[in-house]
Amino acid sequence: SYVLTQPPSVSVAPGKTARIICEGNNIGGKSVHWYQQKPGQAPVLVIYYDSDRPLEIPERFSGSNSGSTATLTISRVEAGDEADYYCQVWDSTTDHLHVFGTGTKVTVL
Amino acid sequence: EVQLVESGGDLVQPGGSLRLSCSSSGFIFAEYWMTWVRQAPGQGLEWVANVKGDGSEKNYVDSVKGRFTISRDNAKNSLFLQMNSLRVDDTAVYYCATEKWALGSGSFPNWGQGALVTVS
Repeated sequence: SYVLTQPPSVSVAPGKTARIICEGNNIGGKSVHWYQQKPGQAPVLVIYYDSDRPLEIPERFSGSNSGSTATLTISRVEAGDEADYYCQVWDSTTDHLHVFGTGTKVTVL
Repeated sequence: EVQLVESGGDLVQPGGSLRLSCSSSGFIFAEYWMTWVRQAPGQGLEWVANVKGDGSEKNYVDSVKGRFTISRDNAKNSLFLQMNSLRVDDTAVYYCATEKWALGSGSFPNWGQGALVTVS
């Protein structure tokens, strides 16, 4: 089955840039979606199709995808960005199913 | 405004059954794939199953195949998950979500608040 690997945690100071990676075999050939989840809340879609952003999501959130790594970038990090972040793809190669990454806890120092 | 509301979560013994429901509003339900995602306590997200808008296609993660059945009633704008032969490791919050498909991939733009299923 297809596996997406993320670092367990990323720490960043307010105002700086956080980069969260998602690694998978030839992930650059797939469309990657990213979700933010705060404690006790449902996930929220923040990036879809590698780099598109829902209207309600700030421009500080951006995404890229190439080769074996997809990246979610959060610029000018704010305290409210502290959350868990998950990448997700649709795997139609080995089986027809959605796959989530292992998740990254972003801590704002 | 899209709204998704899950119900039916409960405490059940191993080997038991439970049916989750997801009531929707604010969009044309029959036009959307719908999905179930679960999250065990303190763990990450795990996709469980999805169903096409007309109910003609369904997919499941291996760990629930043969035990869980996803279905929908478009006349009632409702999604269901019938869970049989429940195991302790099925304990999780179960979310329903819409699926938006394009370019051969689906994302989940709208989520419910979740329903807690405890198998113990």
